Amino acid sequence: AQTIHQWPVAEIKAVGSPLSLGCTIKGKSSPNLYWYWQATGGTLQQLFYSITVGQVESVVQLNLSASRPKDDQFILSTEKLLLSHSGFYLCAWSRQENSDYTFGSGTRLLVI
Amino acid sequence: GDSVTQTEGPVTVSESESLIINCTYSATSIAYPNLFWYVRYPGEGLQLLLKVITAGQKGSSRGFEATYNKETTSFHLQKASVQESDSAVYYCALAQITGNTGKLIFGLGTTLQVQP
Repeated sequence: AQTIHQWPVAEIKAVGSPLSLGCTIKGKSSPNLYWYWQATGGTLQQLFYSITVGQVESVVQLNLSASRPKDDQFILSTEKLLLSHSGFYLCAWSRQENSDYTFGSGTRLLVI
Repeated sequence: GDSVTQTEGPVTVSESESLIINCTYSATSIAYPNLFWYVRYPGEGLQLLLKVITAGQKGSSRGFEATYNKETTSFHLQKASVQESDSAVYYCALAQITGNTGKLIFGLGTTLQVQP
């Protein structure tokens, strides 16, 4: 069975500090990978997607970056956090041929 | 662009009462998008509740039902008798498919509080 693991579960970070969020998918080779984000009071929106190792496409510009260093790993990062980065971050995967998405348990980020 | 609008929360109902959470969509990029209801229980991630890919069909799961109505572009979520354990945030979504990848367009989410 496929599993998706996100880390950390929650973070409190200072404005201007760096951030790295991770996501690992086990049991599925060559998945499509996604980062979604929900600001407080906002809707979930897709930030990045990746269909293969080393290739990441940005969907929304938020001064964040993403990388896929391995087939089963997706990293979201920034060198300098903004207050507006606070929210709930979700990693997800799907098979390349359909739209069924499986989400991780999420990371709650508070930037102060 | 594509969008999803759903009942603004929080919605508070008593246990064993019926529930309806409205969802309407606007899909300009695809005529008949796949439609979804996701749920997020307290302290957990997002889980797929039900999915319907064919207009006119009904999806059901855990006592919840939703019918894909292309005439009214709606996908309302209903349950005849809610339980306290149904308290959660419910998201309606549609899928934009582009080649071999896609994107879910979500509504704002509806917080459901079921009182014992």
